[in-house]
Amino acid sequence: AQSVTQPDIHITVSEGASLELRCNYSYGATPYLFWYVQSPGQGLQLLLKYFSGDTLVQGIKGFEAEFKRSQSSFNLRKPSVHWSDAAEYFCAVVMTPNAGGTSYGKLTFGQGTILTVHP
Amino acid sequence: SQTIHQWPATLVQPVGSPLSLECTVEGTSNPNLYWYRQAAGRGLQLLFYSVGIGQISSEVPQNLSASRPQDRQFILSSKKLLLSDSGFYLCAWKGRGGQGYTFGSGTRLTVV
Repeated sequence: AQSVTQPDIHITVSEGASLELRCNYSYGATPYLFWYVQSPGQGLQLLLKYFSGDTLVQGIKGFEAEFKRSQSSFNLRKPSVHWSDAAEYFCAVVMTPNAGGTSYGKLTFGQGTILTVHP
Repeated sequence: SQTIHQWPATLVQPVGSPLSLECTVEGTSNPNLYWYRQAAGRGLQLLFYSVGIGQISSEVPQNLSASRPQDRQFILSSKKLLLSDSGFYLCAWKGRGGQGYTFGSGTRLTVV
């Protein structure tokens, strides 16, 4: 069965420090990959996505993610964290059509990582 | 431009009462529509998806149902709420042929 794992439930960093949030997936083929951010009581905002091509993807708010096929990973990074980055982050995947996925495009989410930023 | 609307933003309902949450999409046609639930301390779980009017697929057995009476309208319902139905409900849409998903702002449901 398809699954997405975010090993870190809660991460605390100091403002200005670098950040890496981990995401691993279990699929028979490379899926489409997404990172979303959710502020308390809010909906989900897309940070970035990977479909194909360059394995280093740039997103909004200074975030980037690197797809590593050999590790089945799609880790999110930011070189310098701001206090406003405190939120919950979700990795999500969807099976690609040529890998047996349907056009229904059902997203499977990881459990989320809560980011706390200390001043 | 495309927008997605969800209402109400918050809702407190007694056990055994009915539920109706509405989601509408503007600026697109024939979207795929999804209902997700986020329970406290848990990730997002897909509840229902729809690829067209009147076409509903359920992902997990539950006390809820969904309907799509119009192309850009997706409704989540229950005849009798349970305490376990409490959570944060998110509607999302995806365009045909596209791979981007857009989420609504969510509805916080508390069943008391």
